[in-house]
This record gives sequence, C-alpha cells and structure tokens, in this order.
Amino acid sequence: EDQVTQSPEALRLQEGESSSLNCSYTVSGLRGLFWYRQDPGKGPEFLFTLYSAGEEKEKERLKATLTKKESFLHITAPKPEDSATYLCAVNSNDYKLSFGAGTTVTVRA
Amino acid sequence: KAGVTQTPRYLIKTRGQQVTLSCSPISGHRSVSWYQQTPGQGLQFLFEYFSETQRNKGNFPGRFSGRQFSNSRSEMNVSTLELGDSALYLCASSRVGVTEAFFGQGTRLTVV
Repeated sequence: EDQVTQSPEALRLQEGESSSLNCSYTVSGLRGLFWYRQDPGKGPEFLFTLYSAGEEKEKERLKATLTKKESFLHITAPKPEDSATYLCAVNSNDYKLSFGAGTTVTVRA
Repeated sequence: KAGVTQTPRYLIKTRGQQVTLSCSPISGHRSVSWYQQTPGQGLQFLFEYFSETQRNKGNFPGRFSGRQFSNSRSEMNVSTLELGDSALYLCASSRVGVTEAFFGQGTRLTVV
C-alpha cells in the first residue's frame, strides 16, 4: 500500500518569506510523484511531475525536487496569491494516485 | 483547449436515493479516474477506466460504481445514498496512464 505523508499541515508565511513543504513517501515502485495546488471549492491544479531521484522542476516561484524517499516543494518569495493547499501524490503500478493530506499555505501581505 | 468538465457542480440528495455524476475528459485523454474528497479522509481513489474497462478500484462499497463510454466520457453512480457520502467528487483525465492527471472542478454532493 502506497503511503504519502505531508508536513507541515499548515504554514503561515509573510509575503516574501521563502519556505519548503515536505512530502515523504513509501511505494513499491515509483512511476511518478505529483504536486498539485488546490484552491477552496475547486479541483486540484496540476503543477509538476517528478520521475526520478535528483530531478528538479520549476514554475514561477515554485520549485519541486525529488529524492528516493521524499520530495520538497520550495516556495521562493511567496505572494498572497500563492495561498492554497498543496497536495502531493504518488503513482506506483496500479493506475491510481495516492495522495497526502496536503499542506495549507497562507501568505500574508 | 477545454479542460475536464464535470456535471452537475452541486447536488443535494436525500438518504436512500441514488445519484449519477458525469465527467467529460480532455480531448485525446483515454484514462479517467474518480476520487472522493472529504475533510477527514482527504482524496481517496474510487476507480480508473481506460477504453471502457475498469483497471483499478479503490476500497469503497459496491454502492459506488462507474462506467466509461466509447468517447471516453465517464459516469459514476452511487446508490442508496448515506450521509457519509457527502463529499466533493473529482474526476481526472490523462492520456494513457495516470501520469499528469488533470482534474475537473468537481461535483459537490450533499446528502441530507
């Protein structure tokens, strides 16, 4: 059974205060690790897919990295519009995504 | 390019009734997955379809069922609704497997 644990549960940041979110995982065979952003009442918005340890991807103020046991989502100089819940998910070999509980990020102006 | 479309957006049903939710995937996407999201359990996998075949099913009772049509559109059905079925039901589509799955806005189901 795939396991995904995200920390912290909640993160309150001042605008411009960089930070990182953690996603640790246990899978039988990783086919991909995914990061999503979800705003209240909406569906998750795809951000990144990472496939192998050492891989990094960037999009605006977000950068995702992957090791053999965990992934980090770095938020650089966040703005209030970066406030959202960030979800991590893994895919092994059985045609489904297993999600973590998410990290709710609040960025204050 | 149109995204994943789910209908209806909101539903209110009474215990014991049944409900059907619809999902139209992104054009060219043949894999459709369904998830249930609740505050207590987070996102839980329901089932995945590809070319009208269910390839995987999550740990949900038999009251939850789905199907996929030849045009890749999918429906899920919940029979004999219970209060605990109140949730946001999300559909995701991807080209083949579940890599880079794109989600719809969801259907908010409230059971009273």
